[in-house]
Amino acid sequence: DIQLTQSPSFLSASIGDRVTITCRASQGISSYLAWYQQKPGKAPNLLIYAASTLQSGVPSRFSGSGSGTEFTLTISSLQPEDFATYYCQQLTSYPFTFGPGTKVDIK
Amino acid sequence: QVQLVQSGPEVKKPGASVKVSCKASGYTLSGYGISWVRQAPGQGLEWMGWISGYNGNTKYAQKLQGRVTMTTDTSTSTGYMELRSLRSDDTAVYYCARVHYSTTWYIFDYWGQGTLVTVSS
Repeated sequence: DIQLTQSPSFLSASIGDRVTITCRASQGISSYLAWYQQKPGKAPNLLIYAASTLQSGVPSRFSGSGSGTEFTLTISSLQPEDFATYYCQQLTSYPFTFGPGTKVDIK
Repeated sequence: QVQLVQSGPEVKKPGASVKVSCKASGYTLSGYGISWVRQAPGQGLEWMGWISGYNGNTKYAQKLQGRVTMTTDTSTSTGYMELRSLRSDDTAVYYCARVHYSTTWYIFDYWGQGTLVTVSS
């Protein structure tokens, strides 16, 4: 199975900060990576697919980059509604594993 | 608009089975797949498997093979996930997600609201 690691596990930031989350795969996955945002008690919400394609309706302050084994999710200017947990997921081979998550909290 | 509405919470005893439904609206089920993802309390997301709405082909996570069955009913636009021989560590919120797919790529673009399944004696 392909393992995904995320760093950091926890991030404390202020409104307006630029935030970067990294996802690393145990083997190359080309660009078959998605990013999700999840708020407590809610379902995950797709932000980015194919590593860098913004899902319709997602604010442009979110962006994704990377290919192969290293990927990043960037929030250019953190907003109050962005405090949540973020997960990456690889979609190149079964099982479609998720990363362990990065919780973004208010500083 | 696309919506996935799941069935309500379940409480089951160890060894029992549970069947969770996921009713799709706003699109044609046969043109997409449905995947199931679960989340144990306070934990991360775990992919369980998926089913093609086009031909019913399935792929399950190895650790659940033999205990899980995913089906669809295109006449009611509903997907189902049945998990058998329940254990306490199956206690989780179970989500369905629409899978937009081709031969090489998959996108989990819409999600149900989640169904809490509690396994307890």
